[in-house]
Amino acid sequence: DGGITQSPKYLFRKEGQNVTLSCEQNLNHDAMYWYRQDPGQGLRLIYYSQIVNDFQKGDIAEGYSVSREKKESFPLTVTSAQKNPTAFYLCASSIGQIRGRTANEKLFFGSGTQLSVL
Amino acid sequence: DAKTTQPPSMDCAEGRAANLPCNHSTISGNEYVYWYRQIHSQGPQYIIHGLKNNETNEMASLIITEDRKSSTLILPHATLRDTAVYYCIVRSPHGSSNTGKLIFGQGTTLQVKP
Repeated sequence: DGGITQSPKYLFRKEGQNVTLSCEQNLNHDAMYWYRQDPGQGLRLIYYSQIVNDFQKGDIAEGYSVSREKKESFPLTVTSAQKNPTAFYLCASSIGQIRGRTANEKLFFGSGTQLSVL
Repeated sequence: DAKTTQPPSMDCAEGRAANLPCNHSTISGNEYVYWYRQIHSQGPQYIIHGLKNNETNEMASLIITEDRKSSTLILPHATLRDTAVYYCIVRSPHGSSNTGKLIFGQGTTLQVKP
């Protein structure tokens, strides 16, 4: 089955620790995204990547880092600089751009990772 | 991207049609209307999208007013499994500097009751 997989489903972080959330997709999508969701709130964009080896900051990038070394993978690291990391993290992918234009913003989401601080 | 306004919550009886409104009065001519839904503790799921014409798929229908300033998502026969938060989003398809910046608001929590 094609899809997007996030792991782990639950993650705990100690004070001062960096943790990495995994996101893998086998949809052959160029674009991938990370969103953060706090209880009762909508989604806020952390980082996005339109193509391999390239990524841009979203609205709340401080305290986070990403890499896009492979088309299929877009891991998110929550660094110790993120003082309030407890949230539900969602990864998504989409076809991306075709000939320089956004082809279709139909996003496919993973099932999320709940990060909590010990 | 245009902002949207949705009621925070709605109830619907099981088996009846659920009509979820969305206002997007500042929408521009090339912005699409997208609907997603999120069941508790899961990732959002795409439902439908449209530009000017009404659209229908296996999940729902999307009715867009002639002036495009509002739209309604219709679930024709709501079931208990349709209980979720529904997000209405408008977005330009050609904003290369904003690619991926779909702005999810707080949406409408739809409660389908037996």
